[in-house]
Amino acid sequence: GQNIDQPTEMTATEGAIVQINCTYQTSGFNGLFWYQQHAGEAPTFLSYNVLDGLEEKGRFSSFLSRSKGYSYLLLKELQMKDSASYLCAVTLSGGYQKVTFGTGTKLQVIP
Amino acid sequence: GAVVSQHPSWVICKSGTSVKIECRSLDFQATTMFWYRQFPKQSLMLMATSNEGSKATYEQGVEKDKFLINHASLTLSTLTVTSAHPEDSSFYICSARRGGNSYEQYFGPGTRLTVT
Repeated sequence: GQNIDQPTEMTATEGAIVQINCTYQTSGFNGLFWYQQHAGEAPTFLSYNVLDGLEEKGRFSSFLSRSKGYSYLLLKELQMKDSASYLCAVTLSGGYQKVTFGTGTKLQVIP
Repeated sequence: GAVVSQHPSWVICKSGTSVKIECRSLDFQATTMFWYRQFPKQSLMLMATSNEGSKATYEQGVEKDKFLINHASLTLSTLTVTSAHPEDSSFYICSARRGGNSYEQYFGPGTRLTVT
C-alpha cells in the first residue's frame, strides 16, 4: 500500500523559516510534488523533485532523499499569505503517473 | 501557463438526482485527467484516472456505476454523480496532464457539491 505522512498542523512566525517534512512508503516511486492549497481553493504547484537534493525557488525550497523516503519543504521569510495547507504528493511509476497525496500540513503564520 | 476550468463551481441538488461536473483544459491538450474528492480538513483522494477515448480507471472503493467518468476529447472530461446522497457532498477537483514526458498536473478550481 501507499503511506505518506506529514504533520497535521504547524505554526510559525512572520519573517521566520519553517520546514515541513514528508515521509513516504510507496510501491513504485517516480517523483514528489509539493502543492499549496488555500482553504476552499484548488492546489497550486510549488515543486517537483525526482533526483536527490535540494531545489530552490525563491523563498521556497524542496529537498528529496529517495533512499530515505523523505522530503521537506522549506519556506523562508514567511508572510501572512503563506498560511495555507501544504500537500506532499508522490507520483508512482506506471503508465498514467498517478499521484497520491499525503494528509497535508496546515500552516498558520502568526504576526 | 496551463489553465483548467471546472463547471459548475458549486451546485446544490436534491437526494436521488444526478449531477454532471465538467473539467476542461483551456489552452492545452490533456491526454490524462484525474478526478479527486476532498472532504473538509482532509487531503485529496484520487477517485479515478481518465484517458481520452478509453475507460476510466477507478481507485479501490470508488463505485464506477455511481461516479460516471467520460473523457470524450483531449480537452474535456466529465464526472457524473448519479443518484446523489448527502454523503456525496464534497469538494470535487479535477486535474489535467499533458502527454509525453510532462509530469505536472494542472488543477481546476474545484466544484463544491452539496446534496440535500
